[in-house]
Amino acid sequence: GAGVSQSPSNKVTEKGKDVELRCDPISGHTALYWYRQSLGQGLEFLIYFQGNSAPDKSGLPSDRFSAERTGGSVSTLTIQRTQQEDSAVYLCASSFGTRVTDTQYFGPGTRLTVL
Amino acid sequence: AQSVTQPDIHITVSEGASLELRCNYSYGATPYLFWYVQSPGQGLQLLLKYFSGDTLVQGIKGFEAEFKRSQSSFNLRKPSVHWSDAAEYFCAVGLGGYNKLIFGAGTRLAVHP
Repeated sequence: GAGVSQSPSNKVTEKGKDVELRCDPISGHTALYWYRQSLGQGLEFLIYFQGNSAPDKSGLPSDRFSAERTGGSVSTLTIQRTQQEDSAVYLCASSFGTRVTDTQYFGPGTRLTVL
Repeated sequence: AQSVTQPDIHITVSEGASLELRCNYSYGATPYLFWYVQSPGQGLQLLLKYFSGDTLVQGIKGFEAEFKRSQSSFNLRKPSVHWSDAAEYFCAVGLGGYNKLIFGAGTRLAVHP
């Protein structure tokens, strides 16, 4: 079956522009996670969704970052007024539930480059 | 605070040689531990996981890991490495509640023919 998909695969933008990153989770997965993979920071948790609600946004680096999920499915991560330090690979993962026994399946990521 | 340390940033082994990747964690409660692999241009794939019970865990692609509570370690091993194992390997601890993963910095594995 289809896995987690993310679009675009690559995004180059200019400093100060807004960007939207999209994640399509595996059908039926209620939990959705966003992580960021950057040089020097490794993989860091950003936010997670249970259904359409985001109980934990503690990993979002600043108020320029926001995310939403609609219909319990697609999620969009929006970065406003991008900065060079936002350059990273943004990974999305989904799982059937939020128990530790529920495996997180990762998408291929979106590589964001801010010039 | 919870953390995961992978002491080796980069490891090179010869094809057919054995492999051990180190992982140490800091977590106050019973840890839920994972190893993921990331091949070039790919997302992360789960290799194996430990929740409880037998401390030696078998995973996919011939990998295994051993949980040692006394050493706060969860090292990944493979008896004979294949060229296709070249990738980056991440150890992670899952926090209870909603399974937020805390990752180590990763170990990049290179395999010489």
